[in-house]
Amino acid sequence: GENVEQHPSTLSVQEGDSAVIKCTYSDSASNYFPWYKQELGKRPQLIIDIRSNVGEKKDQRIAVTLNKTAKHFSLHITETQPEDSAVYFCAARDNYGQNFVFGPGTRLSVLP
Amino acid sequence: DAGVIQSPRHEVTEMGQEVTLRCKPISGHDYLFWYRQTMMRGLELLIYFNNNVPIDDSGMPEDRFSAKMPNASFSTLKIQPSEPRDSAVYFCASSPSGGRGGSETQYFGPGTRLLVL
Repeated sequence: GENVEQHPSTLSVQEGDSAVIKCTYSDSASNYFPWYKQELGKRPQLIIDIRSNVGEKKDQRIAVTLNKTAKHFSLHITETQPEDSAVYFCAARDNYGQNFVFGPGTRLSVLP
Repeated sequence: DAGVIQSPRHEVTEMGQEVTLRCKPISGHDYLFWYRQTMMRGLELLIYFNNNVPIDDSGMPEDRFSAKMPNASFSTLKIQPSEPRDSAVYFCASSPSGGRGGSETQYFGPGTRLLVL
């Protein structure tokens, strides 16, 4: 089955700097890769996603890149703000079902 | 739309007791998912339904866990008997169907924080 790894597990950046979180997946059949943000005590919420027919997607300060050959995808947050502090999860889903496999998460701290 | 609704939000029970968690998906969504979140194991998919039918329950930890979806607007996750290691946050999520391979965005409920003493 699918296996998703995520690095780093924790990340601290200064406000205004960029943050990058990387995920790798094992199943080449996976074709949908969402990123979720979970604030302390709250539910995971989708922030951006990418499909396998696209190499990059951007939404304001957030972007995701996908390298299908290498089977990895990354989340990029620019001009970080304190409210970006949260745990970020990547996930992968194959084209034949709904089995979303989540990475272990990255705790991002944006220091003022 | 009120989003995915879960109840109760918090549950404290004693080992051996039966626990029932409830979920109301977003109206019109064809897929419903049950997840468990712990510090040690992260976010795990337990089971998911499509049009009220269980599709994959391979994530259900053992026979003590069961899930049902009697209609499009209601699902339950039951643990009987409960054990301390079942303590976790249980999330329900729903998504619409779309295209081959199914749905896209999953919308999570607020979760049920379960503590088994």
